[in-house]
Amino acid sequence: GAVVSQHPSWVICKSGTSVKIECRSLDFQATTMFWYRQFPKQSLMLMATSNEGSKATYEQGVEKDKFLINHASLTLSTLTVTSAHPEDSSFYICSATGTEESGANVLTFGAGSRLTVL
Amino acid sequence: GENVEQHPSTLSVQEGDSAVIKCTYSDSASNYFPWYKQELGKGPQLIIDIRSNVGEKKDQRIAVTLNKTAKHFSLHITETQPEDSAVYFCAASDNDMRFGAGTRLTVKP
Repeated sequence: GAVVSQHPSWVICKSGTSVKIECRSLDFQATTMFWYRQFPKQSLMLMATSNEGSKATYEQGVEKDKFLINHASLTLSTLTVTSAHPEDSSFYICSATGTEESGANVLTFGAGSRLTVL
Repeated sequence: GENVEQHPSTLSVQEGDSAVIKCTYSDSASNYFPWYKQELGKGPQLIIDIRSNVGEKKDQRIAVTLNKTAKHFSLHITETQPEDSAVYFCAASDNDMRFGAGTRLTVKP
């Protein structure tokens, strides 16, 4: 079945630094990738939708300059948290979907990345 | 870590019938269990959730039951309609959320 790999699974950084999280589709071409943020004991919050080769579509309230999303290839999307602050500490999850022709048109979630900003 | 299994992977029902999707989880510390509906081309949307201090929750045609002892929870959709056709994901969370593999529900008119 379709597999989505997310890396790193956890990261600790200092306030003011930038952190990049990668989301890779291992065995299918991901035409669309989604990025979510999960606050403790709460549901997911969709941050942005990313289509390969085009700019990400951000949800209302999500700062584009703060959370940079790049989907440069059909197997890789990255989320960069710029100038991270403690309030950015959270669990970030990606998901990916391919085309029906590829047999990967069911959304597959990554395992998530826990970011802690000191 | 948490492991969530979801069954069935596909489900086809006649309009008006009920649909049931079941999930099991492994981490007894999990205390939050949301269900998401994903329509074609869209991101998953939360449709109902339940916390571990509750055994059942209902919202119109949708209900979720939780059995903490057996570590399983289920989504029940009654009086299904064609617009219920979508992929449904269960999830379990203590701090970090883990998802089931999804169930593709098709409601035939």
